[in-house]
Amino acid sequence: QVQLVQSGAEVKRPGSSVKVSCTASGGTFSSYTISWLRQAPGQGLEWMGRIIPFVPKANYARKFQGRVTITADTSTNTAYMELSSLRSEDTAVYYCARTLGDPNYFDPWGQGTLVTVSS
Amino acid sequence: SNGLTQPPSVSVAPGKTASISCGGSNIGSSSVHWYQQKPGQAPVLVIYYNSERPSGIPERFAGSNSGNTATLTISRVEAGDEADYYCQVWDGSRDHVFGTGTKVTVL
Repeated sequence: QVQLVQSGAEVKRPGSSVKVSCTASGGTFSSYTISWLRQAPGQGLEWMGRIIPFVPKANYARKFQGRVTITADTSTNTAYMELSSLRSEDTAVYYCARTLGDPNYFDPWGQGTLVTVSS
Repeated sequence: SNGLTQPPSVSVAPGKTASISCGGSNIGSSSVHWYQQKPGQAPVLVIYYNSERPSGIPERFAGSNSGNTATLTISRVEAGDEADYYCQVWDGSRDHVFGTGTKVTVL
């Protein structure tokens, strides 16, 4: 049974960066694809990008291209999402999720990490 | 398929059937996935590839997809089905797109 555990909540200043981690247990991490998604308060879901850890190769959503970097460390079964040039609109819960199938679907999801951007 | 439209809310009595639509141009040519999200929790996959159920999801959850509308149907609705539901597709080029979300209320 795959489980994804994310790092804790963060408070960041506008213009700074945040790096969120997602550690997997169960299964073979290097064979997964991991996606990052986010959900602003009271809003819907947005896909940010994904990584295939064993390659490693990342793909990013158009909206976040140039501002997000997704990496993975197969020695610790951990994926990371770093978002730069933070603004208040980036306040959201960020999720990682195992990414399956073609076309992709997401299962399971991590518990979520709240990132608050405030001056 | 960009801009997937879902009704903001659906209300249903216990034991009845809830239908949640997901509208998009020619969505029937795409594979649609559905997620359930309860307050304060991460989303959970309930339907993938239009009508497949993951292990552990009750048979009461069913999906269909044709033309410009995909539909998630929940039969014999229970209080525990009260949640937000989102549809999701691959836009065919680069991005995954989610629907606007539907809040299901069990009366």
